[in-house]
Amino acid sequence: AQRVTQPEKLLSVFKGAPVELKCNYSYSGSPELFWYVQYSRQRLQLLLRHISRESIKGFTADLNKGETSFHLKKPFAQEEDSAMYYCALTTGGGNKLTFGTGTQLKVEL
Amino acid sequence: GAVVSQHPSRVICKSGTSVKIECRSLDFQATTMFWYRQFPKQSLMLMATSNEGSKATYEQGVEKDKFLINHASLTLSTLTVTSAHPEDSSFYICSALDSLSGNTIYFGEGSWLTVV
Repeated sequence: AQRVTQPEKLLSVFKGAPVELKCNYSYSGSPELFWYVQYSRQRLQLLLRHISRESIKGFTADLNKGETSFHLKKPFAQEEDSAMYYCALTTGGGNKLTFGTGTQLKVEL
Repeated sequence: GAVVSQHPSRVICKSGTSVKIECRSLDFQATTMFWYRQFPKQSLMLMATSNEGSKATYEQGVEKDKFLINHASLTLSTLTVTSAHPEDSSFYICSALDSLSGNTIYFGEGSWLTVV
């Protein structure tokens, strides 16, 4: 069965510092990877997906099949980036998401 | 963007009673919706896939007779927790698949269930 691992429950960085939220997955095939974000008191929303290869709000994530990783990065953290971030995947072209346990990002001034 | 609405956002019910949670896609049709459960400080666990006009597909370990799912229209799926017990207290989240916008999945705001 597939699995998503986010090793950090909490990541605290200073404003302007680089951010990297780690995500590793286990799946024998070719998954589709996603990052979802949940701001305080808001619903979960899609941040980016690996097939789009886009940058959203300054965040990027590259799928590394060799390391089975999909780390989320941003060169300069902003206060408004403080939120809960979930890495997730789907398999076999389906739409059932398997989520990691999430990482709380806290950007301090 | 598309909106998915859940109702109620919070509900308290007595042990042994049943409670229904609604999930609506407000501006798109969703043939597929998903129900998740989230315990405090834990990840979202998929409970079942709700398919319009057919039976839901439950994940392993989820009791289908306890968590009844009905997807009677293209914009509404309901989750009924039957004979609720305190251990059913949790945060329930639904999501809906918008197949016309690149299979984007939109999430509801979640529903807190407390069984007393």
